[in-house]
Amino acid sequence: KAGVTQTPRYLIKTRGQQVTLSCSPISGHRSVSWYQQTPGQGLQFLFEYFSETQRNKGNFPGRFSGRQFSNSRSEMNVSTLELGDSALYLCASSPTRQETQYFGPGTRLLVL
Amino acid sequence: AQSVAQPEDQVNVAEGNPLTVKCTYSVSGNPYLFWYVQYPNRGLQFLLKYITGDNLVKGSYGFEAEFNKSQTSFHLKKPSALVSDSALYFCAVRDRLMMDSSYKLIFGSGTRLLVRP
Repeated sequence: KAGVTQTPRYLIKTRGQQVTLSCSPISGHRSVSWYQQTPGQGLQFLFEYFSETQRNKGNFPGRFSGRQFSNSRSEMNVSTLELGDSALYLCASSPTRQETQYFGPGTRLLVL
Repeated sequence: AQSVAQPEDQVNVAEGNPLTVKCTYSVSGNPYLFWYVQYPNRGLQFLLKYITGDNLVKGSYGFEAEFNKSQTSFHLKKPSALVSDSALYFCAVRDRLMMDSSYKLIFGSGTRLLVRP
């Protein structure tokens, strides 16, 4: 079974731009969560989607948003990029909301 | 609030020797604990988890972890380290949100394991 896939793998943007990251979960997995990884803050929860609905959100500003489609694929969007948004963005999927999360390779975003 | 701590930024061990990567937790209620490993330019790979039951949990690649309730610890162990085990290891706890039955993972700061030949 194919793992979690994330596209693109690398992105370079400038301040003020917006960006959309994509995540395709493992087949049959219905829950998708997003995490941000930075050297300073470590791994932090962004949000979780299940059945096309955002179920939980971490402590991030409203510039961070996301959505989930009927096939469980998910996208996250960051508007008005700031230098501090440079990070590795990880997507994780699980069959149901309570089960083990399996992570994708991440999208590395660099904001200049 | 739930939290985990990884007291060592880096652990160095010689190939063939046993390794231990430490993790302590602070939770209210029963802890759900996880270990993940991250190789360079890769995402996190699931190693093992403790939900309930036997205190010694066996996982992938020969790793195991020992849950100790009295010491609130969940240390990762391997009897014989390999150079290929060199990576970044994360301990995580499941944070159960009270409003519903979903959960998010709260991660420790990570421990870099370096296995020298």
